[in-house]
Amino acid sequence: GQSLEQPSEVTAVEGAIVQINCTYQTSGFYGLSWYQQHDGGAPTFLSYNALDGLEETGRFSSFLSRSDSYGYLLLQELQMKDSASYFCAGHDDKIIFGKGTRLHILP
Amino acid sequence: EAQVTQNPRYLITVTGKKLTVTCSQNMNHEYMSWYRQDPGLGLRQIYYSMNVEVTDKGDVPEGYKVSRKEKRNFPLILESPSPNQTSLYFCASSPYSGTSYEQYFGPGTRLTVT
Repeated sequence: GQSLEQPSEVTAVEGAIVQINCTYQTSGFYGLSWYQQHDGGAPTFLSYNALDGLEETGRFSSFLSRSDSYGYLLLQELQMKDSASYFCAGHDDKIIFGKGTRLHILP
Repeated sequence: EAQVTQNPRYLITVTGKKLTVTCSQNMNHEYMSWYRQDPGLGLRQIYYSMNVEVTDKGDVPEGYKVSRKEKRNFPLILESPSPNQTSLYFCASSPYSGTSYEQYFGPGTRLTVT
């Protein structure tokens, strides 16, 4: 079946750069999106990649390689408020989410 | 204000008592979806709707029903809730076309079935 794999936890230092990887096992996805969720909150949209390559939105960038069934979210100039869970999601008519990566940021 | 609303936000019920969680969006979005979120399992899609009167199963549809009679509303129905349906539920909507596949999520409904 369709599935997306991402690390369960990542730790980084304030001001640094962190990359959260997402690999998927399906040939059907036509895009990959990323969401952020703070504790007690709803997921909020970060980015969507329909094409291979890098999409940049401020401090956040997202990358997709269809041939490698792989994507990543890159967060730069980390701030304490970036401590949250991050989810990748594969799109066809259905949407399949990964289980999420908890990002811990150290001062 | 553009938003997705869900009601109720919190619900405690007993096994077998039918319930409905409402979802409404004011952004004229074609695509609507229901998810459940359980610790360690991420978000799992229950049902989705590409347009009015068009609904389809997601990954975990068993025990749930939906309807899409109007574009703005997408209620989730549990005909006979069971304790394994205790979860946090999110409704979401999206234009889902062109370059915009962003989903907007409601605030969530925490359901406990005893």
